[in-house]
Parts: sequence; C-alpha cells; structure tokens
Amino acid sequence: NAGVIQTPRHKVTGKGQEATLWCEPISGHSAVFWYRQTIVQGLEFLTYFRNQAPIDDSGMPKERFSAQMPNQSHSTLKIQSTQPQDSAVYLCASSLTGANERLFFGHGTKLSVL
Amino acid sequence: TQTVSQSDAHVTVFEGDSVELRCNYSYGGSIYLSWYIQHHGHGLQFLLKYYSGNPVVQGVNGFEAEFSKSDSSFHLRKASVHWSDSAVYFCAVNYGSSGNKLIFGIGTLLSVKP
Repeated sequence: NAGVIQTPRHKVTGKGQEATLWCEPISGHSAVFWYRQTIVQGLEFLTYFRNQAPIDDSGMPKERFSAQMPNQSHSTLKIQSTQPQDSAVYLCASSLTGANERLFFGHGTKLSVL
Repeated sequence: TQTVSQSDAHVTVFEGDSVELRCNYSYGGSIYLSWYIQHHGHGLQFLLKYYSGNPVVQGVNGFEAEFSKSDSSFHLRKASVHWSDSAVYFCAVNYGSSGNKLIFGIGTLLSVKP
C-alpha cells in the first residue's frame, strides 16, 4: 500500500496562471479531504468527499477554487488565476469512512505563486 | 464557534525527559479527539484518538493522551522522549454537530536536544 499519493510535490506558477493538484487516495477509502497549510493560518479545512460525492466544501474560497472527484481513485483541486496568497502546502487525506476515523495524509503539494 | 487551542508554540526538552503537549477545545456535545505528528517536509501521521471509554488512550511510539471533560482538554504525554520525536504535533477535534471535518490546532513544535 503506497499510501495517499499527491502530485506534483512542488509546483511553481506565475500570478494569474492555473494550478491543478492531484490526489490518489488509499484504495478502499471512501472519504477524501483537502487541507491547506500555511505558517500563519496553520491547517485549514477546504473540502470533503465521500463516495466521490462532495459533502462539505465550507472551507473552499468561493472564487477560483474548485475540487472534483471523478472516480474513486483520484481527486483534483484546481485553482484558477493563482495569486501569491495561494502559496501554501496543499494536503490531501483519506480515511475509511469519514472524519471520525484515522486520516491518512499524503506528503502534500507545495504551491508557490510568483 | 468550535475551536481547538494549543497554548505552546514551541517546547524544548532533552532526550530522556518526559513531555506534555497541551490541547484544549471548546465543548460542543459529542466529540472526537486525535493527535497527529508532522515531521519536516512530510504529511501528518496519526498518533492516537479518543471518542469514548477509557479517558487515557495509548498511541504509537509510547505516546498517550488523557481526555478531561471538566478541563476540556486532551493533553499528549510521553514519559521519555527520543531525538526522533522532534516534530510538530497537532491536536484535532471533530465535533459531532459538524461531523465532516477535523479542526486542527495551530500545532506545537517539539524540539528534543541530545
């Protein structure tokens, strides 16, 4: 079991460009979470899928951010027109059934917006 | 507002010392508590969790935590730390009413000196 896989590990974009981050959850896990981590804000919840359906996106910025889970083997987080304040480590996690279970985290994608 | 607070930003101890990392939460009914560890450049790894039953829970690598309803606390302890325990430790809370997401504290950096 390779764990939660996130690609790329590092992504550098210019201001205004689009960034797509990928996450492959652990096989058999029905819950997928996205978090954003910065020094100032710490770990911020972004969104949660269960059985591929979006359940809670209360942490997603209303503009420019979107997340999908087209199949059980991967989820994407897309940021349109990236801004310097979007620079952060984006963490994906999966669990068997939900937030009351142990979460398995990927290594994260470090996004740098120049 | 449902929150979790970690009052110590940085704790420094010597190898072999005992350590306690503090976590307090705002009480909101049924609650699920956990601790995670993050080594530099990596994702978070699960240490232990509490939902009900014995308030003292054992985790990996000799860590334990004690739930206290009266103090609204879930402090993490280790009797004898090793240099490899140097990392950032996150307390996390999932409130039954929100249910869908773990809310993380800001984290405590533990530095273990030889």
